Amino acid sequence: KAGVTQTPRYLIKTRGQQVTLSCSPISGHRSVSWYQQTPGQGLQFLFEYFSETQRNKGNFPGRFSGRQFSNSRSEMNVSTLELGDSALYLCASSLDRQGALSMNTEAFFGQGTRLTVV
Amino acid sequence: SQQGEEDPQALSIQEGENATMNCSYKTSINNLQWYRQNSGRGLVHLILIRSNEREKHSGRLRVTLDTSKKSSSLLITASRAADTASYFCATGAYSGAGSYQLTFGKGTKLSVIP
Repeated sequence: KAGVTQTPRYLIKTRGQQVTLSCSPISGHRSVSWYQQTPGQGLQFLFEYFSETQRNKGNFPGRFSGRQFSNSRSEMNVSTLELGDSALYLCASSLDRQGALSMNTEAFFGQGTRLTVV
Repeated sequence: SQQGEEDPQALSIQEGENATMNCSYKTSINNLQWYRQNSGRGLVHLILIRSNEREKHSGRLRVTLDTSKKSSSLLITASRAADTASYFCATGAYSGAGSYQLTFGKGTKLSVIP
């Protein structure tokens, strides 16, 4: 079974530009979450999608947005890039059964996209 | 905001020794998960312990959970050089909207010296 795939692995962008990152979850997983990891702030939750709907959002500015497609693949977009957006962006998928309070929800992570803003 | 706080921030041990990492959290949880990360790469899921469980084992890993103290520990026995990595605890909780979120601590950096 293929794991979580994130593309691209590395990206260099200039301040003010925008960027789109992609995440393909494990087959059958409908929940996709995004995290930003920086040395200073650690792992911070960005948002979570389930069945094409954003169910939860972290404390990030509106420049950070995302979406999920019918095949559960997800994209996140960052507009008007700032130097502080340089980070490792991680995507995680899980087998989440909507409507059931599953306490066995392991999240599986991709290798991440390393974004550098110059 | 960070919910889990790992302790210590860094740990250096000799190969063959045991490594213990602790995690404390603040609010109610459904489960607690431990992850490993090698050199800024993706996170590898190690073990999940539910809020109604007290101890769980997986190979050389042993995790305990004390919900009354809001703390967990990860024990790696007979450590190997390949265990060198950063270890994170993450608390899993459902919000009222039915959404599930993992909140991570800042991690413990483990170095195992051959």
